[in-house]
Amino acid sequence: EADIYQTPRYLVIGTGKKITLECSQTMGHDKMYWYQQDPGMELHLIHYSYGVNSTEKGDLSSESTVSRIRTEHFPLTLESARPSHTSQYLCASSEYPYEQYFGPGTRLTVT
Amino acid sequence: GENVEQHPSTLSVQEGDSAVIKCTYSDSASNYFPWYKQELGKRPQLIIDIRSNVGEKKDQRIAVTLNKTAKHFSLHITETQPEDSAVYFCAARQNNAGNMLTFGGGTRLMVKP
Repeated sequence: EADIYQTPRYLVIGTGKKITLECSQTMGHDKMYWYQQDPGMELHLIHYSYGVNSTEKGDLSSESTVSRIRTEHFPLTLESARPSHTSQYLCASSEYPYEQYFGPGTRLTVT
Repeated sequence: GENVEQHPSTLSVQEGDSAVIKCTYSDSASNYFPWYKQELGKRPQLIIDIRSNVGEKKDQRIAVTLNKTAKHFSLHITETQPEDSAVYFCAARQNNAGNMLTFGGGTRLMVKP
C-alpha cells in the first residue's frame, strides 16, 4: 500500500548523541518535507526537498540536516542531540497539485 | 511570504451543535486551501480542501467557504460528534511555491457529549 513510513516511532536518547530519523514514501512523490511539532501545537517547517539532490531550509531554524539521494528517502540527522530538540518530527510528501500526505511521526525525547 | 492566521485557538461545543473555524491569509496568489484534522497521537489527515476557483465545497457534515476578496476561508462542521474532537489546521498554498503549504496555528476542538 502506498504510504509514508517513519522510523523509529519513539526514541529516547542522551544529550550529545547523533541520531538519524528515517522517512520513506512509496507514492512516487517528488516533494518531501520535515515538520517539527510539539503535540497538538503548530506545525513548523524545518526542511523541504523538491527532488533528488535538492534540499532547502524551512521557516524554523533547525540544527538538523537532511539529504535526498533517492526519490523515496528523506532522512533527517541531528549531529548532537540536545534537550531542546525534544519534540515530534513529521515527514510529509506531495505531488503538485495534490495535497500533502503526512507520515505517522517520530516522537523524540532527549535526556 | 504567505502568513496564515487561524481563530479560535480552542473551541468547545456541545454534541450536535455546529463549529466554525476561520482562517485569513495574506498572499492573494494563494490558490489552494486544505484543512487537516489531527487526532491525539495521530498524523494530520486531509479532511477537505478548496481551490480558488470555487466559493464553497461540502462533504457530508463538513463544508469550507472561501472569500478571495477578503482573503479568508472557514471550516464548518454541523451536527458535531465526540469523534470530531481533534486539532484542526488550515493551510494555504501559493501558486508560485510548488507545493509549499503555510499552516495556521491550529484549533483544538472539543465536543462535549
